[in-house]
Amino acid sequence: EIVLTQSPGTLSLSPGERATLSCRPSQSVSSNYLAWYQQKPGQAPRLLIYGASSRATGIPDRFSGSGSGTDFTLTVSRLEPEDFAVYYCQQYGISPYTFGQGTKLEIK
Amino acid sequence: QVQLQESGPGLVKPSETLSLTCTVSGGSISGYYWSWIRQPPGKGLEWIGYIYYGGSTNYNPSLKSRVTISVDTSKNQFSLKLNSVTAADTAVYYCARDQKGSTCYDFWGQGTLVTVSS
Repeated sequence: EIVLTQSPGTLSLSPGERATLSCRPSQSVSSNYLAWYQQKPGQAPRLLIYGASSRATGIPDRFSGSGSGTDFTLTVSRLEPEDFAVYYCQQYGISPYTFGQGTKLEIK
Repeated sequence: QVQLQESGPGLVKPSETLSLTCTVSGGSISGYYWSWIRQPPGKGLEWIGYIYYGGSTNYNPSLKSRVTISVDTSKNQFSLKLNSVTAADTAVYYCARDQKGSTCYDFWGQGTLVTVSS
């Protein structure tokens, strides 16, 4: 199965700053079948990005995804207070579909 | 707006069968794939498997020998059965809809905590 390694484990930033989160699959993800989710405590994950770079419905344009193959990035251009949460990447190119271990974005 | 709601026992004894149902409202179950995903307390997400509304399934090999996912289109529901459970199966179980044309999840249930304990 494809293992997704996310870094950093925790990212401490202030509102207004730029966040850059990394996701590295253990093998190339076909057709950029890579998604990003945001999860807040006690809530289900929310789809942010699919196809590596397409924003899901209703997602603000401060969220952007990029990358291909074995190197993907989620960028939050200017952090809002509600953006502090845990972020997961997921590959859905090869079954079993797998998630990264998560990056916690915390307020500095 | 599509809504999903998990239901089922919150406590299951070791070696018994975990059974959950996901009820879909605000839209039809037809035309989509539907998945189960779980999250042990304080840990990450694990895909369990999916079912197409027509009945075809795909399971995570790590759970395949113990998992059955079924669908009832007349009730707009799909279900999960996981047998021979152990404490390692304690988790929040989510049902989710696969986004059209891909296997990422655009609608999720709120999740239900299932604890395996005697």
